[in-house]
Amino acid sequence: GAGVSQSPRYKVAKRGQDVALRCDPISGHVSLFWYQQALGQGPEFLTYFQNEAQLDKSGLPSDRFFAERPEGSVSTLKIQRTQQEDSAVYLCASSLVTDQETQYFGPGTRLLVL
Amino acid sequence: AQSVAQPEDQVNVAEGNPLTVKCTYSVSGNPYLFWYVQYPNRGLQFLLKYITGDNLVKGSYGFEAEFNKSQTSFHLKKPSALVSDSALYFCAVRDRGGSGNTGKLIFGQGTTLQVKP
Repeated sequence: GAGVSQSPRYKVAKRGQDVALRCDPISGHVSLFWYQQALGQGPEFLTYFQNEAQLDKSGLPSDRFFAERPEGSVSTLKIQRTQQEDSAVYLCASSLVTDQETQYFGPGTRLLVL
Repeated sequence: AQSVAQPEDQVNVAEGNPLTVKCTYSVSGNPYLFWYVQYPNRGLQFLLKYITGDNLVKGSYGFEAEFNKSQTSFHLKKPSALVSDSALYFCAVRDRGGSGNTGKLIFGQGTTLQVKP
């Protein structure tokens, strides 16, 4: 079956631009996670949804970062007024709520802010 | 706070030889531990996990990991390496702090495994 998909795969933004990153989780997966992976680092947690409810946003680095999942399926991570330090790969993962440890990751969106 | 450490940036091994990728952890309470693999231009793939039970956990592609509570380690192993095993490997622990039950993972820095023919 289809895995987690993310779009766009690559995004170049000028500093100060707003960007929107999309994640399509595996059908039926209630849990959805966003992670940020800086170059040469492991992924770091940003936020978590259970259906449409954002239950944990403790990892969002600033109020410029905003995520939503209005219908409990597709999720969008929005970054306003992008900064160079936002350059990273943004990973989305989904899982069954009964097995949240087994997370299925998308290929990521590589964001470069110039 | 929960954390994991991967002390080696890179591990080199000859094809056919056994491989070990090291991971140590620091958690409060019983740990939930994981290994993921990342191939170039692809997302992370789940390899295996330890929740409870047998200390030797078997996973995908012939990999296994040994949970050692006294040494707070969870090393990834494979008896005979393949060139196709060359990738970036991440150890992770479930974060049981804060809101506690969201399943979010804390990852190590990653270890690049290079298997040479």
